Amino acid sequence: ELKVEQNPLFLSMQEGKNYTIYCNYSTTSDRLYWYRQDPGKSLESLFVLLSNGAVKQEGRLMASLDTKARLSTLHITAAVHDLSATYFCAVTRMDSSYKLIFGSGTRLLVRP
Amino acid sequence: GAVVSQHPSRVICKSGTSVKIECRSLDFQATTMFWYRQFPKQSLMLMATSNEGSKATYEQGVEKDKFLINHASLTLSTLTVTSAHPEDSSFYICSARVSEGAEAFFGQGTRLTVV
Repeated sequence: ELKVEQNPLFLSMQEGKNYTIYCNYSTTSDRLYWYRQDPGKSLESLFVLLSNGAVKQEGRLMASLDTKARLSTLHITAAVHDLSATYFCAVTRMDSSYKLIFGSGTRLLVRP
Repeated sequence: GAVVSQHPSRVICKSGTSVKIECRSLDFQATTMFWYRQFPKQSLMLMATSNEGSKATYEQGVEKDKFLINHASLTLSTLTVTSAHPEDSSFYICSARVSEGAEAFFGQGTRLTVV
């Protein structure tokens, strides 16, 4: 059974600091997604990572994928308050359903 | 990106009544739609997968008679919460994809409150 673990679950950081959120998954998958969710809202797609060694960057966020270690990271550089949100990773289950299995989410609070 | 529209965004209903939530893919044909439930400060839990023209596949522990899913066309799936109770209050989110392996796009979500 595919399990997806994220850590930390909660992260409070000061503006200007760097930090990394980790996403581990238990079985082979061919794609990994990162999403952002603001309170009361649905998911906003941030990144899709399709291959080992993939790295994508958008603004202050950078995501990477190591399929051999079954690990993805979301790195935050010089955090700003606008990045405060909950971040989810999700992994595609490798069967006919291609269902997305979500991690528990990381609630990020960026303090001034 | 592709657009998935969910309606209504918020609904309040009385205990014992039923409520229907619609999920539409606006600019693509969705062979598969997914329904999720999210409790406050928790992750998304997949409830069911619906394929156009066939019966939905429910995840373990989800009552199929309570959460009726219909995927009558390639652009519309509906979730009906029957005989709603306060414990059914939650945030319901749908997603839709064109084909197996394609990225799924998410609707705006529906906040259901049962009083």
